[in-house]
Amino acid sequence: SQKIEQNSEALNIQEGKTATLTCNYTNYSPAYLQWYRQDPGRGPVFLLLIRENEKEKRKERLKVTFDTTLKQSLFHITASQPADSATYLCALGRSSYKLIFGSGTRLLVRP
Amino acid sequence: DAGVTQSPTHLIKTRGQQVTLRCSPKSGHDTVSWYQQALGQGPQFIFQYYEEEERQRGNFPDRFSGHQFPNYSSELNVNALLLGDSALYLCASSLSGQVGELFFGEGSRLTVL
Repeated sequence: SQKIEQNSEALNIQEGKTATLTCNYTNYSPAYLQWYRQDPGRGPVFLLLIRENEKEKRKERLKVTFDTTLKQSLFHITASQPADSATYLCALGRSSYKLIFGSGTRLLVRP
Repeated sequence: DAGVTQSPTHLIKTRGQQVTLRCSPKSGHDTVSWYQQALGQGPQFIFQYYEEEERQRGNFPDRFSGHQFPNYSSELNVNALLLGDSALYLCASSLSGQVGELFFGEGSRLTVL
């Protein structure tokens, strides 16, 4: 069955540095990939979507890459701030129906 | 413009009981999806409703059922609750046929004792 792996260990970085989160998947061929942010006790909030024919997408301080050969996406937050501290979820989809989510990576940005 | 609203926010039930969770989608959206999120895990797809019909279902038993009303709001029902049903239940709304972001509510935290 399909599997999505995100680093289960928290990522701890200094304010101002670039945070890089990884999403690897197996046994699946997504048409697109999404990244969400989730704060404790809250619902996920959409950040970016990248399609299978796109290599890179940017939005303000965020950048996502998508390598369908490696079956991997990298999510970068540049000039990170303490307010960026949250759990980041990777999600894969093939249609407008269901998304398959990873278990998320917790990011902690130290001031 | 109200986003996705869910109720109740928290509830406690005992094993064997039944629960109903409610969701109002974002204005203009016609599709509602339900997800279950256990502690420390990512959301898992339960099912999706469009035009009052269940359009797709994830790997959940028949104890999980749903309904969508003509105003696009939705309910999730879980019968014969098990301890393992304790989770955050998330409702997400979207526009049919469009691949894009899901708008999530804040969730209903269910604890089964």
